[in-house]
Amino acid sequence: EDKVVQSPLSLVVHEGDTVTLNCSYEVTNFRSLLWYKQEKKAPTFLFMLTSSGIEKKSGRLSSILDKKELFSILNITATQTGDSAVYLCAVDNNNDMRFGAGTRLTVKP
Amino acid sequence: EAGVAQSPRYKIIEKRQSVAFWCNPISGHATLYWYQQILGQGPKLLIQFQNNGVVDDSQLPKDRFSAERLKGVDSTLKIQPAKLEDSAVYLCASSLVAVGNTIYFGEGSWLTVV
Repeated sequence: EDKVVQSPLSLVVHEGDTVTLNCSYEVTNFRSLLWYKQEKKAPTFLFMLTSSGIEKKSGRLSSILDKKELFSILNITATQTGDSAVYLCAVDNNNDMRFGAGTRLTVKP
Repeated sequence: EAGVAQSPRYKIIEKRQSVAFWCNPISGHATLYWYQQILGQGPKLLIQFQNNGVVDDSQLPKDRFSAERLKGVDSTLKIQPAKLEDSAVYLCASSLVAVGNTIYFGEGSWLTVV
C-alpha cells in the first residue's frame, strides 16, 4: 500500500531558527513529490520534485529529493512567525495524490 | 482511528455527463472541505462546511458544481454537466475545527472527463 510519512508531526521553534521537515514515502509508481504549506484554507503549493539531488529553492525555503532512499526534506532557514503552518508532503503515484499527515510548525517570536 | 473515506476512487465520464463523489470525514470532525486538485498544482478549495453549514464556497463553480452535508457528517459533491477541464482529483478533507488545525485528507476521487 502506498504511503507517505512525515516527521516530526509537530515542531516548535523560535524566530531565526532553521528547521528541517522530513517526508518518506513508499509508492508503487512514483511520479513526483510535492510540498504544500497549509495555513487556514487550501494548502499553498511550495515545490514539486521529480529528480534526485536537485535542490529547489524559494527564498528561505528549499527542498531536495532522494529517490534512492525514498525521502525528501524541506528546509526553512531564519524562520519567521509567518512560517507557522502545517507543511504537507504529497506524492503523485501516477494515479492519485497521497498526502502525509503534515508537520505542524510553530514559530514563536 | 479511521481516516477520511472517499468514493469512488476513480471515475471516467464523458463531457456533459454528471458525477457524484461521496465523503465520510473522520468521526467528530466538524469541518469538512472539498478540494479540486489538477496535477502539478496545489489543491484548490471548492467548498468548506462547518457542521452542516457552508463556510466558504467562493471558488465553487456554482453553475455546475454543488455540494451538501445535510446531517453534518457525510458530504456529497456533484458535477453536472461535466467539462473536460473538470478532470482532476477531488480531495475531501476534515478537521476538528476550521482554523489552526491539521487537515486530514482522504485519498481522493480521480475524475477523468473525456
